[in-house]
Amino acid sequence: QSALTQPASVSGSPGQSITISCTGSSSDVGGYNYVSWYQQHPGEAPKFMIYEVSNRPSGVSNRFSGSKSGNTASLTISGLQPEDEADYYCGSYTSSSTVVFGGGTKLTVL
Amino acid sequence: QVQLVQSGSELKKPGASVKVSCKASGYIFTSFAMNWVRQAPGQGPEWMGRINTNTGNPTYAQGFTGRFVFSLDTSVSTTYLQIYNLKAEDSAVYYCAILAAAGLSIDYWGQGTLVTVSS
Repeated sequence: QSALTQPASVSGSPGQSITISCTGSSSDVGGYNYVSWYQQHPGEAPKFMIYEVSNRPSGVSNRFSGSKSGNTASLTISGLQPEDEADYYCGSYTSSSTVVFGGGTKLTVL
Repeated sequence: QVQLVQSGSELKKPGASVKVSCKASGYIFTSFAMNWVRQAPGQGPEWMGRINTNTGNPTYAQGFTGRFVFSLDTSVSTTYLQIYNLKAEDSAVYYCAILAAAGLSIDYWGQGTLVTVSS
């Protein structure tokens, strides 16, 4: 199972919005609504931000939103804040009953 | 609240073995499978597989068969990852996790265990 494809890096200024894509196939992202997004700061475990494509767990800011079209899922962060600077990963259920993660995107807040 | 607490960092020589533990609390241990995830330095997470906490049946991802073994002790709500014949490329942070991407609406991770393999 190949890793899901994410851009290596994105950047934005405080207050702006950015979108991170996560591209898979019909065997994972396109075939199931079990897509999750994680935020990871250096030295910390991944933090759960989005589940089932677009649902936010309790306590996650509504500046974070998720969507999906075909085999590509997206994470949008609006009103960028300095503390949003981190690595972001997507994860998806697959047709083999396994889990696959994306390679990660480094978000820089300029 | 759900907590997954892992054992501490390990420094091992090539060819040795290591056993990482993950103690769960705050929920019924057998409710969810436990996943293991590897994150090599500067890399993204990599799903290693999972263990069914009801049956003890493990499922291993491609690339994690042979030297990697998942086990559990339900009496102490603990799952284990054992790696045999360690190689330098096994140096990574290993996480236990209950994963939303596995079809759940919840997601919890242990704090991670750094395994360093060096002569």
